[in-house]
Amino acid sequence: DAGITQSPRHKVTETGTPVTLRCHQTENHRYMYWYRQDPGHGLRLIHYSYGVKDTDKGEVSDGYSVSRSKTEDFLLTLESATSSQTSVYFCAIRVTSGGAPYEQYFGPGTRLTVT
Amino acid sequence: AQKVTQAQTEISVVEKEDVTLDCVYETRDTTYYLFWYKQPPSGELVFLIRRNSFDEQNEISGRYSWNFQKSTSSFNFTITASQVVDSAVYFCALSGAPTGGGNKLTFGTGTQLKVEL
Repeated sequence: DAGITQSPRHKVTETGTPVTLRCHQTENHRYMYWYRQDPGHGLRLIHYSYGVKDTDKGEVSDGYSVSRSKTEDFLLTLESATSSQTSVYFCAIRVTSGGAPYEQYFGPGTRLTVT
Repeated sequence: AQKVTQAQTEISVVEKEDVTLDCVYETRDTTYYLFWYKQPPSGELVFLIRRNSFDEQNEISGRYSWNFQKSTSSFNFTITASQVVDSAVYFCALSGAPTGGGNKLTFGTGTQLKVEL
């Protein structure tokens, strides 16, 4: 258990409304990630963070923004939700040791439906 | 650009059969890392294994084994004597050497394994 929680776990929202998903970790990991999972695509990286206020874009960042004001929280915001953003969203942390890229551990996921 | 291909979309086996899940990757990095994750029907993603590009030793963990072959850019996963509890979607993933921003995982599209009685 990597101590990762996501909230909400399920959300239904209407097109055009803003939505914020929260990822919270309890183990002080520096690196955090947001992925989305869609059928036929596996998981794709949206944004990631390598420290407080340090974030960068991933493969599918259009329409999403992130913020990290505290080590333990990484927020994903959909400024104006669209139906194409209906997906399951996973947060992950990366365990680091000695500078080598170690495995990422995932939160339980948030199922978002945009109607 | 990195790419991971899991050509098997769905595999069905009968319990106790052996099954191999294929993973082929593409990367220009000389140092890279390969991973397998399991996603059971409950939806969580469970880390199974990490393999470094400079270590081609195969690995066995109970009924699970992994065959890494750089010559064919493959990292295949075999389950021996499959059980119903092995039913899940299995993802292969690839990352390069760490940069200032941390490694980013590129996932395959997953293989749905169904183990039936």
